[in-house]
Amino acid sequence: GAVVSQHPSWVICKSGTSVKIECRSLDFQATTMFWYRQFPKQSLMLMATSNEGSKATYEQGVEKDKFLINHASLTLSTLTVTSAHPEDSSFYICSARDSQGLDGYTFGSGTRLTVV
Amino acid sequence: QKEVEQNSGPLSVPEGAIASLNCTYSDRGSQSFFWYRQYSGKSPELIMFIYSNGDKEDGRFTAQLNKASQYVSLLIRDSQPSDSATYLCAVNTAGNQFYFGTGTSLTVIP
Repeated sequence: GAVVSQHPSWVICKSGTSVKIECRSLDFQATTMFWYRQFPKQSLMLMATSNEGSKATYEQGVEKDKFLINHASLTLSTLTVTSAHPEDSSFYICSARDSQGLDGYTFGSGTRLTVV
Repeated sequence: QKEVEQNSGPLSVPEGAIASLNCTYSDRGSQSFFWYRQYSGKSPELIMFIYSNGDKEDGRFTAQLNKASQYVSLLIRDSQPSDSATYLCAVNTAGNQFYFGTGTSLTVIP
């Protein structure tokens, strides 16, 4: 089945620095990828929809200048958390769908970000 | 109104019983519906998807869709302790946005 690789699986960074998270579709092409954030004991919250070759679509309340998304190829989308603060500490998950398939969206393994 | 709504639970069922999880959605034009299972600290994993009205069975799992009522459910037969997790309903809306419900926490009691 479709596999989505997400790296890193965890990262600790200092407040004020930037962190990049990669999401790759390993065996399929994904014109659309989604980025989610999940705080402890809460549901997944859609942050943005990443479209290959065009600007990402951000959900209301998500700062596009803080969470930079780049979807430069059909197999790679990146999320950069700029000037990270402790309140950005969360579990970030990407998902993608094989445009040729019908079996739903596959999730990456997630990235646990801790900002200290 | 949230795009996708679920009863957060927790839902507890004895081992061997049927667990019933429910979900409603707001975008009437939504075409595809998914159930995911998420263990604590892990990413969601897809259990089933359904596109057409009616029932779809896969092993111990049955997804049910009623587009007129904007309702989708998941039945888990012969529940096992390993089924204890949070179950997320997800909907692909007409605008090709993918939204999750808040999830229902299920505990299967041995």
